[in-house]
Amino acid sequence: NAGVMQNPRHLVRRRGQEARLRCSPMKGHSHVYWYRQLPEEGLKFMVYLQKENIIDESGMPKERFSAEFPKEGPSILRIQQVVRGDSAAYFCASSPSTGRTTGELFFGEGSRLTVL
Amino acid sequence: QQQVKQSPQSLIVQKGGISIINCAYENTAFDYFPWYQQFPGKGPALLIAIRPDVSEKKEGRFTISFNKSAKQFSLHIMDSQPGDSATYFCAASDILTGGGNKLTFGTGTQLKVEL
Repeated sequence: NAGVMQNPRHLVRRRGQEARLRCSPMKGHSHVYWYRQLPEEGLKFMVYLQKENIIDESGMPKERFSAEFPKEGPSILRIQQVVRGDSAAYFCASSPSTGRTTGELFFGEGSRLTVL
Repeated sequence: QQQVKQSPQSLIVQKGGISIINCAYENTAFDYFPWYQQFPGKGPALLIAIRPDVSEKKEGRFTISFNKSAKQFSLHIMDSQPGDSATYFCAASDILTGGGNKLTFGTGTQLKVEL
């Protein structure tokens, strides 16, 4: 499967626990984006990363949330001390790295976090 | 601050009819306007996109109309089919530092096409 791979697809956590969501971009893509989708709402930008660099994290909550995209391995979105309001679908997308892109973002199928 | 406003929130269309979804944006720096289609439990997938140098783009049954002066764009689905039933998101973007493409999404329109 050459698409954007996200895991886990479903994750249940109790309040105060940590959630780690993983994303492997499409082959050849070095731009990764994380979006959050709350029920009945659109997708909200969280963070944009390239390998080993956070380029734009203007949509990330100031506390408890962090993201990384290491040189080797998938991108990780980490949520510490989860609260019920963190329950949402988290989507990862990737795009090619060659200059001015076509603009298309390729989305994974999402990780659905439920906080009890 | 919502930079892309989308309407209607939901839409019911008869099979064979025309579905129309509208979006308006505020940021004049936006230079790429895609529409994404999302089925339940799936990620969004690009349907069709337009740049501001053209006023219309058609791909099969899907057409984007773009009005730069009014800062509005719309999706028309001709001959709507039950398989078109999904949530549709408009979006807009400008290029980020580093060449990336940060999309700002509308709130979505749930389309249901009835037989």
